[in-house]
Amino acid sequence: ELKVEQNPLFLSMQEGKNYTIYCNYSTTSDRLYWYRQDPGKSLESLFVLLSNGAVKQEGRLMASLDTKARLSTLHITAAVHDLSATYFCAVRGADGLTFGKGTHLIIQP
Amino acid sequence: NAGVMQNPRHLVRRRGQEARLRCSPMKGHSHVYWYRQLPEEGLKFMVYLQKENIIDESGMPKERFSAEFPKEGPSILRIQQVVRGDSAAYFCASSPQVQGVGTDTQYFGPGTRLTVL
Repeated sequence: ELKVEQNPLFLSMQEGKNYTIYCNYSTTSDRLYWYRQDPGKSLESLFVLLSNGAVKQEGRLMASLDTKARLSTLHITAAVHDLSATYFCAVRGADGLTFGKGTHLIIQP
Repeated sequence: NAGVMQNPRHLVRRRGQEARLRCSPMKGHSHVYWYRQLPEEGLKFMVYLQKENIIDESGMPKERFSAEFPKEGPSILRIQQVVRGDSAAYFCASSPQVQGVGTDTQYFGPGTRLTVL
């Protein structure tokens, strides 16, 4: 059974700081996704990582994938309040996606 | 290009009633997935469908829950005789393909928030 673990689950940080969210998964997969969810809203696709060593960046967010370690990271640079949300990683299994529990990120001025 | 559409957005049912949730995939997408999200939790896969076929229902409870994706019309997630534990947000996602060239990113609808009284 595919398991996906994120840490930390809760993160409060100040604007301007850097931080990293980690996503570990238990079995081999060829797709890893990062999603953002605002309270009461749906999921917004941020990144799709397809291969070992893949790195993608969008604004202050950068995601990377190490398939050998079964680890993905989402790095936040110089955080701003607008990035406050819940971030989910998800790994493709046999058919559907398996999600982590999410990281609740609060960025304080 | 309209995104994934779900309706209703909010649904209130009393215990024992039936809930019917609808999902229209993005244009050109033939794969539909249903997920359930409990408060403060990630999404849990329920079922994966293509037109007129259930491909994987390993995440669906064995009783009271069913899903279909007919040749014409939206995909339907049906919950019979709802109980309080069914209260959750139900998200539908669609993708153009699962295997082959290109990504198969799933695009999520806005969700239906079911409350069982």
